[in-house]
Amino acid sequence: AQTVTQSQPEMSVQEAETVTLSCTYDTSENNYYLFWYKQPPSRQMILVIRQEAYKQQNATENRFSVNFQKAAKSFSLKISDSQLGDTAMYFCAFMTQNSGTYKYIFGTGTRLKVLA
Amino acid sequence: EADIYQTPRYLVIGTGKKITLECSQTMGHDKMYWYQQDPGMELHLIHYSYGVNSTEKGDLSSESTVSRIRTEHFPLTLESARPSHTSQYLCASRGNSPLHFGNGTRLTVT
Repeated sequence: AQTVTQSQPEMSVQEAETVTLSCTYDTSENNYYLFWYKQPPSRQMILVIRQEAYKQQNATENRFSVNFQKAAKSFSLKISDSQLGDTAMYFCAFMTQNSGTYKYIFGTGTRLKVLA
Repeated sequence: EADIYQTPRYLVIGTGKKITLECSQTMGHDKMYWYQQDPGMELHLIHYSYGVNSTEKGDLSSESTVSRIRTEHFPLTLESARPSHTSQYLCASRGNSPLHFGNGTRLTVT
């Protein structure tokens, strides 16, 4: 079975500091996508960053970057220069395609609080 | 601006009532999804659709039903609401790989 595990239910970081959120997954598939989504309190869930499994280069979006270790099935998110607006639930997600069916699996989330 | 819209944002309703949660997207996406999420918890897929007149049940058993008569519209209906249905319901759509989410409907059944 495919699973996504986020082992840190809650984290906090000082404003302007760097924080890393961990995510591991389990799959026998070779082609898949990985995502980090951000869900601010009472607000819309939005995509932070995505990574195609066939790409070795780690994805980067401004202050957000990932450390993708395919062999270890690890996909951590690094937030640099943390801002108060980064306070949110962060969900790691995995997507694969099988016989025309696209399956998304989400982790249980990490609640990040950025402290002033 | 292309987006995905859910109404109502909040709903408090009594047990036994029939309710429909609306979801519309203006991005022309074929694939649409309904997720159930308890506060601060993971998402559970309850329904999905790959196009008009195509609907499937997700991983989490749900007493709700969905319909997909138009590409842009994917409403979810509960025929008889119960307190166990109290949760947040997120609608999402996708073209290529990333899911785009609506704001969600927070449902409370008293």
